[in-house]
Amino acid sequence: NAGVTQTPKFQVLKTGQSMTLQCAQDMNHNSMYWYRQDPGMGLRLIYYSASEGTTDKGEVPNGYNVSRLNKREFSLRLESAAPSQTSVYFCASSGTGSVNYGYTFGSGTRLTVV
Amino acid sequence: DQQVKQNSPSLSVQEGRISILNCDYTNSMFDYFLWYKKYPAEGPTFLISISSIKDKNEDGRFTVFLNKSAKHLSLHIVPSQPGDSAVYFCAAIQGGSEKLVFGKGTKLTVNP
Repeated sequence: NAGVTQTPKFQVLKTGQSMTLQCAQDMNHNSMYWYRQDPGMGLRLIYYSASEGTTDKGEVPNGYNVSRLNKREFSLRLESAAPSQTSVYFCASSGTGSVNYGYTFGSGTRLTVV
Repeated sequence: DQQVKQNSPSLSVQEGRISILNCDYTNSMFDYFLWYKKYPAEGPTFLISISSIKDKNEDGRFTVFLNKSAKHLSLHIVPSQPGDSAVYFCAAIQGGSEKLVFGKGTKLTVNP
């Protein structure tokens, strides 16, 4: 059981380049999320999707776009990467109405923008 | 404005002793609280949770205590083991919301 799969695991971009981070889950979860983790900042929500076909901004959405391609897949796009977007990005999913609201996280994408 | 606060960036304890990780929150509408554990180069994993209608939840070596009047919760690990060394995130959610709010994390080091 793979859970939440993120690709790629590592990426180095030049300032101004674009890229898409991919995320897929196999747990039939309705909700999916993108977080970034920076030193001393914890986990900050970028965008989320409560169900297929819907997306909403989180705490730090500027510079990002998302696509909920289907129930399984939720991608994060950086149109013009900036050094401030150097971070570790985590995708997560959850089932609506989960008793404990536990999210399942992917293993992360470490992105460096130079 | 930080709604979930973990004021201790790090904590070091000896193997076999108790580890106590603390978390404060400001939003009285939160009705579910969770703790996540994160090892380096891995995603966070769910550890334990507590509903706002309870004041204690126990799962093996892990116990979470909730003090609603103080808007404070704590995670107790007894006995602590070197494998517990990780970053622990406190999180909270409001009923009807789909979004967890995370604290900044506390790095726990358990020394053999």
